[in-house]
Amino acid sequence: DTGVSQDPRHKITKRGQNVTFRCDPISEHNRLYWYRQTLGQGPEFLTYFQNEAQLEKSRLLSDRFSAERPKGSFSTLEIQRTEQGDSAMYLCASSLTENQPQHFGDGTRLSIL
Amino acid sequence: AQKVTQAQTEISVVEKEDVTLDCVYETRDTTYYLFWYKQPPSGELVFLIRRNSFDEQNEISGRYSWNFQKSTSSFNFTITASQVVDSAVYFCALRNSGYSTLTFGKGTMLLVSP
Repeated sequence: DTGVSQDPRHKITKRGQNVTFRCDPISEHNRLYWYRQTLGQGPEFLTYFQNEAQLEKSRLLSDRFSAERPKGSFSTLEIQRTEQGDSAMYLCASSLTENQPQHFGDGTRLSIL
Repeated sequence: AQKVTQAQTEISVVEKEDVTLDCVYETRDTTYYLFWYKQPPSGELVFLIRRNSFDEQNEISGRYSWNFQKSTSSFNFTITASQVVDSAVYFCALRNSGYSTLTFGKGTMLLVSP
């Protein structure tokens, strides 16, 4: 049973560029979550999917952010026209059901120059 | 609305000391779940425990123990005989029943020195 996998581990980009992150959940986990964590803070919820359906989005998720899970397996999170404030660790988690614990990946650390 | 408060920003102990990490939560729901996660320097959040609001029994797992008290809205975590490998940031989190998302506290950084 492999864990949640995220790619890339680190991303450095210039302000204004678009970036895309990928998350592969634990096999058979139908729920997938995205969180953002800034330095010294706990993770903050961004959005989550049940299979391919995006069921909830946080107010933190501006129009520049979009997430997909096209076949109910892996998910992508895209940030368009990146800004300095987007610098953070982006964490992905998955769970088998709503009531099961969420298991997290190693995260993608985004740095905006 | 829900909120999780971890008032201790950083705790430093010497190996073999016992240490308690505090967690206080706020929620209007009567059914909810509480969690503790560990985040070592590598960054991955590691699930430690889940407790539902109807189960106030304390739990022990090896050197770890958890004290859930609904009367004070607290879910404290104690590490007995701490080890250097326990050094990490520990997060307490809350999930209300019927919702899938976790609300995290700001975390407590635990430094265990030899």
